[in-house]
Parts: sequence; structure tokens; C-alpha cells
Amino acid sequence: EVQLVQSGAEVKKPGESLRISCKGSGYSFTSYWISWVRQMPGKGLEWMGRIDPSDSYTNYSPSFQGHVTISADKSISTAYLQWSSLKASDTAMYYCATLMVTGYYYYMDVWGKGTTVTVSS
Amino acid sequence: EIVLTQSPGTLSLSPGERATLSCRASQSVSSSYLAWYQQKPGQAPRLLIYGASSRATGIPDRFSGSGSGTDFTLTISRLEPEDFAVYYCQQYGSSLRTWTFGQGTKVEIK
Repeated sequence: EVQLVQSGAEVKKPGESLRISCKGSGYSFTSYWISWVRQMPGKGLEWMGRIDPSDSYTNYSPSFQGHVTISADKSISTAYLQWSSLKASDTAMYYCATLMVTGYYYYMDVWGKGTTVTVSS
Repeated sequence: EIVLTQSPGTLSLSPGERATLSCRASQSVSSSYLAWYQQKPGQAPRLLIYGASSRATGIPDRFSGSGSGTDFTLTISRLEPEDFAVYYCQQYGSSLRTWTFGQGTKVEIK
């Protein structure tokens, strides 16, 4: 069974750095891209960016370019989302999801349960 | 960037009724790039439909997707209690290689 297991909830102060993780299991980690999605409290879903774990190629939503960094370590089947300087507005739930990219279909298939990030002074 | 607009914002229906959710794109979208997701409170989203009309694995046949171009529809033929949730459409934009979600439609119990 394909699963994505995300790291636990985080409480941080503004200006601090953070890296959250998403570990894949039940499949070859390099077979599917990984996407990150933000959901602010009471709001909808926002696509942040994606990575191809086979070569670590990334692309980002213009809204998130330069604000976060997506990376992956295929040796441990784990993708990461990181911030160098958090803001209160980064408070949200963050989901990772496998991206099915077949050349014809493009969609997010398996989702992690999410990581809550709270940024407060 | 393509914008997806979902309507209505909230749909109030009773169990057993038919739900029709709309997703309109600001410009034409390839049907193969259009997906629908369900999200229940406190849970991660779940894939329902991909390629505009193909049901994901394990999704009941009361869920169906249709449409092309700029207008897409998710239909739930007979609402079950577990179907009350928020539904999102999503598209892949091949020019910018980005994904975009609609703002969501909440299906609530009347």
C-alpha cells in the first residue's frame, strides 16, 4: 500500500527556520513526483510546488516561489518542505501528495495526513 | 494562470438527493488535466475523479464527473451521510507546469 507519512506538528516563533518531512513507503519513491499543498485555517487548498525525487527537479507556484524550498532525499524516501524565516502567515496545515503524471493524466493520488505548523510569538 | 471558480459556495441538500457541483475555468482546460477531491473535516483531501470523468480506485459509482473546455461538473447521484464534505476541483496548467485548485464547494446537510 502506498503511504505518505508526514512529520509531527510544529510550533515556532516568527523568524525561526523549519523543515517538515514526508516519507513515502509501499512503492518506489522515485516513481512519483511529490507535491506540497497548503491549507490555511478555514480556507481552501493551495498548490505550493513539486519535486521529482529521481533528480530533485522542482517547480513552484508563483505565489510560493522564493518563500519555501522543496527538496528530497531518495536514499531515505523522504521529501521536505522548508522555510528559512517563518512568518505568522505561514500558520497552516501542510499536505504532501504523490503526483500522478502519466503524460496524459495529471492529478494528486495519495495524500499524507498533514503537518500543522503554528507560528506565533 | 488559469483560475477555477466553483459554484455554488455551499449546497444544502438532504440525504438521498442529487448534488450537482460546478467548476468553471477562466480558459479552456484539457479534460485529462481536471480532477476532483473530497475533504472531510480534520482529514486530508481524497481523490475522487481524474481526467474529468474517471473514478479513482474505491470511489462509489454514485460519484461521476463530466465536462470539457471551461465547464466541468461533479455529480453525486444520491447523497449518503458520508458525502457531506467540501469538494475541490483542480487543474494542471501545462504552460506554466503548475496546479491550481478551485475555492471549494461545501455540501451540507439541509
